[in-house]
Amino acid sequence: NAGVMQNPRHLVRRRGQEARLRCSPMKGHSHVYWYRQLPEEGLKFMVYLQKENIIDESGMPKERFSAEFPKEGPSILRIQQVVRGDSAAYFCASSPGEGPMNTEAFFGQGTRLTVV
Amino acid sequence: QKEVEQDPGPLSVPEGAIVSLNCTYSNSAFQYFMWYRQYSRKGPELLMYTYSSGNKEDGRFTAQVDKSSKYISLFIRDSQPSDSATYLCAMSSAGGTSYGKLTFGQGTILTVHP
Repeated sequence: NAGVMQNPRHLVRRRGQEARLRCSPMKGHSHVYWYRQLPEEGLKFMVYLQKENIIDESGMPKERFSAEFPKEGPSILRIQQVVRGDSAAYFCASSPGEGPMNTEAFFGQGTRLTVV
Repeated sequence: QKEVEQDPGPLSVPEGAIVSLNCTYSNSAFQYFMWYRQYSRKGPELLMYTYSSGNKEDGRFTAQVDKSSKYISLFIRDSQPSDSATYLCAMSSAGGTSYGKLTFGQGTILTVHP
């Protein structure tokens, strides 16, 4: 029973490069959430997506960050022109359905982004 | 003021001790309360899930929610070294797109020593 799959597990980028983080939800799950965990801080909500739709992006920085969840393939979190402050662990979570079922979210192992 | 406050610890206890972890919150709209365990450099793992006020027990773990005080707790009985991890409380409100949008505490680092 494959869980939420994230890749790569570790990503090193130089300042100004682009970072692409991928997330494949659990089988049967159609709701995906991205969270960011900065050092010494808890997880912060970034964006909530369903297939081909962004539902809530209230936690996304206004610039350089974007997310998508296409009809086919994984969800992608894209960070353009990375800066040192983007260094963090990025976690993806998926949940099975509508309403209260969405509160039982299952997390992937995360992608640890380091900007040098 | 943060919506969810959690003492970051660290908390160190001997094996077999009862551990109490707590969070307070300010948003009265929160209705769903969760505890996650996160081992070092791993993803959060859902431990307990409760709706509204009351207690829920699962093996050595008991979750309590007191909505009148805006206070939730996780108790671990007969703690084991394998329980050493960071424990995160998380909450969400009901309705629309809010269910899955979790607000986390900072996490409490727990070490259980043999």
